[in-house]
Amino acid sequence: NAGVTQTPKFRILKIGQSMTLQCTQDMNHNYMYWYRQDPGMGLKLIYYSVGAGITDKGEVPNGYNVSRSTTEDFPLRLELAAPSQTSVYFCASSYYEGQGTGELFFGEGSRLTVL
Amino acid sequence: GENVEQHPSTLSVQEGDSAVIKCTYSDSASNYFPWYKQELGKRPQLIIDIRSNVGEKKDQRIAVTLNKTAKHFSLHITETQPEDSAVYFCAASSPNFGNEKLTFGTGTRLTIIP
Repeated sequence: NAGVTQTPKFRILKIGQSMTLQCTQDMNHNYMYWYRQDPGMGLKLIYYSVGAGITDKGEVPNGYNVSRSTTEDFPLRLELAAPSQTSVYFCASSYYEGQGTGELFFGEGSRLTVL
Repeated sequence: GENVEQHPSTLSVQEGDSAVIKCTYSDSASNYFPWYKQELGKRPQLIIDIRSNVGEKKDQRIAVTLNKTAKHFSLHITETQPEDSAVYFCAASSPNFGNEKLTFGTGTRLTIIP
């Protein structure tokens, strides 16, 4: 099992460019998430999905879009990149246990810099 | 939504001493409280969690306590070792805001002094 795989690990974007962060998991988890981590600010939820075809906004969704066409994949799209989107992005997945999300399994992270 | 506050933001302890990190949450209906450890440059990983029907949980040198009345929970690490140096995040989820989502604290950077 590879777990949660994110690509790319590093990327530099110019202001106004667009890109997609890829995320795939091979654990058959129904829940998937995208978080961003800014220094000293913890993890902020961008978008999440409770299953294929279902997505919902988290705390900081502006400037991002997601899709969930399969159980395995949950790409994050950045449109018109801005310096405020400079951050480390983590994809995560979990299996619903009836009382909540259960353990989150994180990918290795993607460090994005917007100049 | 749910609000989780974490203190202190940094903590240094001598090797072998104990470390305590505290978190408070805003929603009294919150029912799941995990703790994640993130080593430098690595991904966060779950180290221990507790549900609202339990007051304390232990796993070797790590324990978590929950006070539902005061709406706070704490991570206790005993006999600290150099490999305990990391950033620790608490989190909470509530059925009022979607049990499928976690709200994280801002993290505590723990440094173990040899």
